[in-house]
Amino acid sequence: KQEVTQIPAALSVPEGENLVLNCSFTDSAIYNLQWFRQDPGKGLTSLLLIQSSQREQTSGRLNASLDKSSGRSTLYIAASQPGDSATYLCALRDSGYALNFGKGTSLLVTP
Amino acid sequence: NAGVTQTPKFQVLKTGQSMTLQCAQDMNHNSMYWYRQDPGMGLRLIYYSASEGTTDKGEVPNGYNVSRLNKREFSLRLESAAPSQTSVYFCASRVTEYGYTFGSGTRLTVV
Repeated sequence: KQEVTQIPAALSVPEGENLVLNCSFTDSAIYNLQWFRQDPGKGLTSLLLIQSSQREQTSGRLNASLDKSSGRSTLYIAASQPGDSATYLCALRDSGYALNFGKGTSLLVTP
Repeated sequence: NAGVTQTPKFQVLKTGQSMTLQCAQDMNHNSMYWYRQDPGMGLRLIYYSASEGTTDKGEVPNGYNVSRLNKREFSLRLESAAPSQTSVYFCASRVTEYGYTFGSGTRLTVV
């Protein structure tokens, strides 16, 4: 069974810092990997989707990379803002139909 | 531009009561999913429907039933609610190799 681990579980940074969230997985035979954002009491918002054939995807201040051989993905957030405070979830789809989720990194950006 | 719509948003049930959680998507997606999210457990798949007319069990199906009413709608039914089913329930949909789109969730408390 695919295991998805996100480190750290929680992170607090001052506004303006660049930061990296990590996601590791045990089975490299994946179709794609998706990063989500979840605000407290809210649903999941898709941030970036990386197909298995891709190495990275960018959207604004966000950049996600994928290294299947090492079983790792990173989400880079540039020039963090208080509005970036949320839980970030990594999820990947392998040969099954379901997404396998990590437990998330809770990010707090302080003014 | 509704995406995935879930109803109700909040519900309190007594042990033994039944209810149906409704989900509808307007993106013409083939696949639909029901997840539950619990503190410390992450998101776990309850049931999914790869296409209209098919349903399959996920990781935690016990105590639930589903119906794929048509391509748009996928409902989740609790026949006899138990306190262990207190959770946040998310519906999601997907088409081919694109990412998943999630609804805003149903917060269910069973007392």
